[in-house]
Amino acid sequence: AQSVAQPEDQVNVAEGNPLTVKCTYSVSGNPYLFWYVQYPNRGLQFLLKYITGDNLVKGSYGFEAEFNKSQTSFHLKKPSALVSDSALYFCAVRDRSAGNQFYFGTGTSLTVIP
Amino acid sequence: NAGVTQTPKFQVLKTGQSMTLQCAQDMNHNSMYWYRQDPGMGLRLIYYSASEGTTDKGEVPNGYNVSRLNKREFSLRLESAAPSQTSVYFCATRLEGITEQYFGPGTRLTVT
Repeated sequence: AQSVAQPEDQVNVAEGNPLTVKCTYSVSGNPYLFWYVQYPNRGLQFLLKYITGDNLVKGSYGFEAEFNKSQTSFHLKKPSALVSDSALYFCAVRDRSAGNQFYFGTGTSLTVIP
Repeated sequence: NAGVTQTPKFQVLKTGQSMTLQCAQDMNHNSMYWYRQDPGMGLRLIYYSASEGTTDKGEVPNGYNVSRLNKREFSLRLESAAPSQTSVYFCATRLEGITEQYFGPGTRLTVT
């Protein structure tokens, strides 16, 4: 069975500090991993993805994520948080061998405090 | 280039009423998806369509039907709405292969 866990419902960070939003996954095969961001009353927007290769993936708006196969994690990071980064963040996984379905975490609400 | 559009944006239904949510895309993507988003539960897949004329059930298909009549459009129908179907519904599309999904703006549905 495929699943994604985001252990923190809420993350608060001061502006200018580094931020981390955690994600762990469970798939039967090798994963494709994704991060999306959702601003209030909007649809989800793609941030970055891991397919293969370098474990550190860089994406939009200065975000990056590190794939760790042994810990089955794909944490989202940014070196210096902005107030405008405040939003809802979703991790998603797709099993390479299991067709077209994506599985989403429950989301983490990030608040960057000025 | 509008991307993924959804209509309506808001809808209020009474229990037992029916309605169809519409999704259209102009990105020439092959796959289309319907999700519902509920607080604390993330996004759950209702149905998806890998290509025109094909549909498959997702995690929570009960109470819904879908139709993929052409490559651009993928509709979601509630035949007899129930309060448990109160949610925000998102349509998404994907080209093919290892690509990401693109989401519409959502439809906020309330069933009273």
